[in-house]
Amino acid sequence: GDSVTQMEGPVTLSEEAFLTINCTYTATGYPSLFWYVQYPGEGLQLLLKATKADDKGSNKGFEATYRKETTSFHLEKGSVQVSDSAVYFCALRNTNAGKSTFGDGTTLTVKP
Amino acid sequence: DTEVTQTPKHLVMGMTNKKSLKCEQHMGHRAMYWYKQKAKKPPELMFVYSYEKLSINESVPSRFSPECPNSSLLNLHLHALQPEDSALYLCASSQSYGGNTEAFFGQGTRLTVV
Repeated sequence: GDSVTQMEGPVTLSEEAFLTINCTYTATGYPSLFWYVQYPGEGLQLLLKATKADDKGSNKGFEATYRKETTSFHLEKGSVQVSDSAVYFCALRNTNAGKSTFGDGTTLTVKP
Repeated sequence: DTEVTQTPKHLVMGMTNKKSLKCEQHMGHRAMYWYKQKAKKPPELMFVYSYEKLSINESVPSRFSPECPNSSLLNLHLHALQPEDSALYLCASSQSYGGNTEAFFGQGTRLTVV
């Protein structure tokens, strides 16, 4: 079945540091890939998405590129802020699956 | 409007109580979901409704009873819960069951069973 593997956390960075959170997946066919962010006490918010190979999703300074050859969708941001502290989930959704498959989540803490 | 609205935001209930969680979306989405999320874990799928019919039940105990009265509303009826059922309950919706478009999540209901 489909699966998503995220780099283990937690990740602690200083403000303005470069962020990478690794995500790799296993899936048949051509899934769509997503990054969701969850702030403390809240639900999941869609951060960005990519629906086909070589697509780059971007939002709020975050980027991720759908790499079919390496089955990866790594999340990057050039300069993190304290307000980026949250849990980040990588997810995929396959046609006809009827549901999303989530990675375990990566907790990011950004210190001033 | 890209919102999924859940009520209540917090709920404390005893093990003999009956309560309901409510979820509403007005995006015209035809698939709606209930997830359970424990602290520091990803959401776990409980139920999926497609066109108001139950499509997936992930072997959820019968003390959780979903209901989809119409295409905009989704309820989760709770009865005789256990303390281990305490969690964040998330509702989500997507355009369709079979597509690969994103799911939109509500803010969740923080449930505590005492």
